[in-house]
Amino acid sequence: GQNIDQPTEMTATEGAIVQINCTYQTSGFNGLFWYQQHAGEAPTFLSYNVLDGLEEKGRFSSFLSRSKGYSYLLLKELQMKDSASYLCAVMDSNYQLIWGAGTKLIIKP
Amino acid sequence: GAVVSQHPSRVICKSGTSVKIECRSLDFQATTMFWYRQFPKQSLMLMATSNEGSKATYEQGVEKDKFLINHASLTLSTLTVTSAHPEDSSFYICSARDLGGYEQYFGPGTRLTVT
Repeated sequence: GQNIDQPTEMTATEGAIVQINCTYQTSGFNGLFWYQQHAGEAPTFLSYNVLDGLEEKGRFSSFLSRSKGYSYLLLKELQMKDSASYLCAVMDSNYQLIWGAGTKLIIKP
Repeated sequence: GAVVSQHPSRVICKSGTSVKIECRSLDFQATTMFWYRQFPKQSLMLMATSNEGSKATYEQGVEKDKFLINHASLTLSTLTVTSAHPEDSSFYICSARDLGGYEQYFGPGTRLTVT
């Protein structure tokens, strides 16, 4: 079966760095997405990785290792507004998104 | 660019009635639209995928006669929850993808409460 695993909840301090991991087992791979979702709102796109390596976009970076079925989202210089759920999703061979359950990130002052 | 709107944002209806939710791509042509449901503190659950001009493909366990999906144009898809029950109360989110694209652009969601 298809499976996406990510931690349920993480806590970090304002100004610090946090890494949210995601491992996956899917039928085929056409890229991995990270989305941010604030409570009561729809997800917003953060990043897309289809090749191995690190993609940096401002305070957020995303890493992919296809051989290990592994990705992480790195958030630097954390701000209170970064408190949200972070969803990992993999596009399978049918170009369908398989979603992880999300990681709730709590930022403390 | 790539804006998706949903209407209404919130709706309260009585048990047994039907509710229609609209999803529009405002600045691109959405050849494929997706409908998701999200219960509190849970992840997104794909309900169905619709391609413009063809019947929607429903995920296992989703009743196609209860959740009617129409994707009649490249900018509009509708989800109708028929004979709504309190257990249908949820956050319904649509997303859209354009031809040849890989990213899904999400609408803001519709919170449905069935009393």
